[in-house]
Amino acid sequence: GENVEQHPSTLSVQEGDSAVIKCTYSDSASNYFPWYKQELGKRPQLIIDIRSNVGEKKDQRIAVTLNKTAKHFSLHITETQPEDSAVYFCAASWGNEKLTFGTGTRLTIIP
Amino acid sequence: DGGITQSPKYLFRKEGQNVTLSCEQNLNHDAMYWYRQDPGQGLRLIYYSQIVNDFQKGDIAEGYSVSREKKESFPLTVTSAQKNPTAFYLCASSINFNGELFFGEGSRLTVL
Repeated sequence: GENVEQHPSTLSVQEGDSAVIKCTYSDSASNYFPWYKQELGKRPQLIIDIRSNVGEKKDQRIAVTLNKTAKHFSLHITETQPEDSAVYFCAASWGNEKLTFGTGTRLTIIP
Repeated sequence: DGGITQSPKYLFRKEGQNVTLSCEQNLNHDAMYWYRQDPGQGLRLIYYSQIVNDFQKGDIAEGYSVSREKKESFPLTVTSAQKNPTAFYLCASSINFNGELFFGEGSRLTVL
């Protein structure tokens, strides 16, 4: 089955700087890659996703890039703000296969 | 307020007792899921249901059971066979299988 590795497990950045979280996947058939954000004490929520027919997708300060050859994808957050502090999960799936999540990255924005 | 409701939020049980966690959704979603969240281990899939009256095992189904008798409801029973049941449990639903997941607020189970 699919295996998703996520790095780093913790990340601290100064407010205003950029943050990058990376994930690698094992199944070359995977074609759907969502990212979920879980703020402290709250439920995870989808923040952005990408499908394998594109290499990059942006939504305001967040972007996701996909390298299908290397089987990795990354979340980029620019101009970080205190409300970006949360745990971020990447995931991967294809077709009717279940979604497999990474182990999460705890992002802390330092004021 | 539409969405997914999990209950109870906190639950304490003695070792050897079965426990049932409730999950109800009013989003008219076909698919529902149960995840277990442990520190440093991400979200691991316990069971999922793509449609009413049907469900499949996820990655860590041993010691758990589910039912899907109604579209709105997907209860999870943590049985005494689950060796390490203390955890945070999240229920989710999606319009169809592998669509955007909408999560409940979670249930924290502590087995004493």
